[in-house]
Amino acid sequence: SAVISQKPSRDICQRGTSLTIQCQVDSQVTMMFWYRQQPGQSLTLIATANQGSEATYESGFVIDKFPISRPNLTFSTLTVSNMSPEDSSIYLCSVEEGGTTDTQYFGPGTRLTVL
Amino acid sequence: DAKTTQPPSMDCAEGRAANLPCNHSTISGNEYVYWYRQIHSQGPQYIIHGLKNNETNEMASLIITEDRKSSTLILPHATLRDTAVYYCIVRVRSYGQNFVFGPGTRLSVLP
Repeated sequence: SAVISQKPSRDICQRGTSLTIQCQVDSQVTMMFWYRQQPGQSLTLIATANQGSEATYESGFVIDKFPISRPNLTFSTLTVSNMSPEDSSIYLCSVEEGGTTDTQYFGPGTRLTVL
Repeated sequence: DAKTTQPPSMDCAEGRAANLPCNHSTISGNEYVYWYRQIHSQGPQYIIHGLKNNETNEMASLIITEDRKSSTLILPHATLRDTAVYYCIVRVRSYGQNFVFGPGTRLSVLP
C-alpha cells in the first residue's frame, strides 16, 4: 500500500490566520481526498483532489475556505483559511489505489488547534 | 449518511477473539463491506473488505451473512494494541468513490 506523510503533524494557530497542510505520497496516485475529523467525531470528506483539474468540494465546504492544490500525482496541499476555533480538527489526506482493492489509505493526520 | 449500524462500544479480554458486528440491511448488490480502524490520534487503517464471501487476511476475518444484511469482523486473538475505533462502511467498489464514515465501534481490549 502507498505510504503517505503529512506536514505539519500538529500546529497551534491564531484566529484569522491561514495554515497550509501538505500531503506527500510515495507513489503516483490519481485520486487524493481530504477529510476533517472534529473532536470526538467521525471523519467527514472535505474534497476530492484530482491532478490536472479543480478539486470537487462536498456540501458545506467551499474553495475560498479550503483551497486545494494538486500540482502532480504525488503531492497535494490543503489550506485552512481565515481560521476560527471551530476549525480545530484533525485534517487527513487519503489516496485511492486501484487494481484489486479500490480502497483508500490514509495519512497520519494534522492536528490543528486554533486559539 | 452512513448506511451501517454498529454498537458504540465493546470490551474484549486480551487474547480472546473480538467479534465486531455491523448491520447494513439496505446494502445494494454491488456494494462491498469495508472495515477500517483508527487508533487514537492516528489516520484510519484499512483492515479488510468483502462482497459476499467470507474473507481472511493477516489482520482479521470478515464474515458476511448469506443475505448480506450484516457482517462480523473477527480479530482472532485481540491484543492491547487492537484498542481502537472500528468503522464498518458499505461502498460501491468503484475507483474514486469516497468512504462515508459513521461513528464506529470503540473496542477496548482489557488486560
